[in-house]
Amino acid sequence: EVQVVESGGGLVQPGGSLRLSCAASGFTFSSNWMHWVRQAPGKGLVWLSIIDGDGSTIHYADSVNGRFTVSRDNAKNTLYLKMNSLRVDDTAVYYCAKGSGYIIDSWGQGTLVTVSS
Amino acid sequence: DIVMTQSPDSLAVSLGERATINCKSSQSILSGSNNKNYLAWCQQKPGQPPKLLISWASSRESGVPDRFSGSGSGTDFTLTISSLQAEDVAVYYCQQHYSEPITFGQGTRLEIK
Repeated sequence: EVQVVESGGGLVQPGGSLRLSCAASGFTFSSNWMHWVRQAPGKGLVWLSIIDGDGSTIHYADSVNGRFTVSRDNAKNTLYLKMNSLRVDDTAVYYCAKGSGYIIDSWGQGTLVTVSS
Repeated sequence: DIVMTQSPDSLAVSLGERATINCKSSQSILSGSNNKNYLAWCQQKPGQPPKLLISWASSRESGVPDRFSGSGSGTDFTLTISSLQAEDVAVYYCQQHYSEPITFGQGTRLEIK
């Protein structure tokens, strides 16, 4: 069974940093594109980033480009999202998701990031 | 960026009746090379993460009930639930998987009338 489990969320002050992790199991992690998507409270889904299987191709949404960095450790079956210069409007549930290319086909439960002073 | 616009924003349908949700893309998401539409639908029930229902505009994921169907081509797409069940109460999103940035519609909230 495909599973992705996010961790690392929490409360952080504006301007601070946080690193999210996503542990994957049940599929060949190194062969799959992976996505990060977020959802602000009561709002819709916003795609943030995609990374290919070996980490050589990465794309970001304009809203996080230059502040967020996605990476992966295929030996640990883990995806990461390093978030710098966090703003209040970055407050959201952050989802890790398995991709079949650009199709987002399996979602984690999400981890809540709250940016507040 | 490709803008995805759904209609309506919310919808109330009686149990057993048909529900129809529309999605329009700001540019064609039909590939000329493979004649496939790069459109997915996902369902998000209250308090849960989204779940993929349909990709390639009309291809249902394994385990998705056949009352869910997708149609359309180019820029105009439809998700149809043929006979609404109580467990279908959710927010439905369309998503283009044609190019980055990947974009979602704003969501359609489906409720029971």
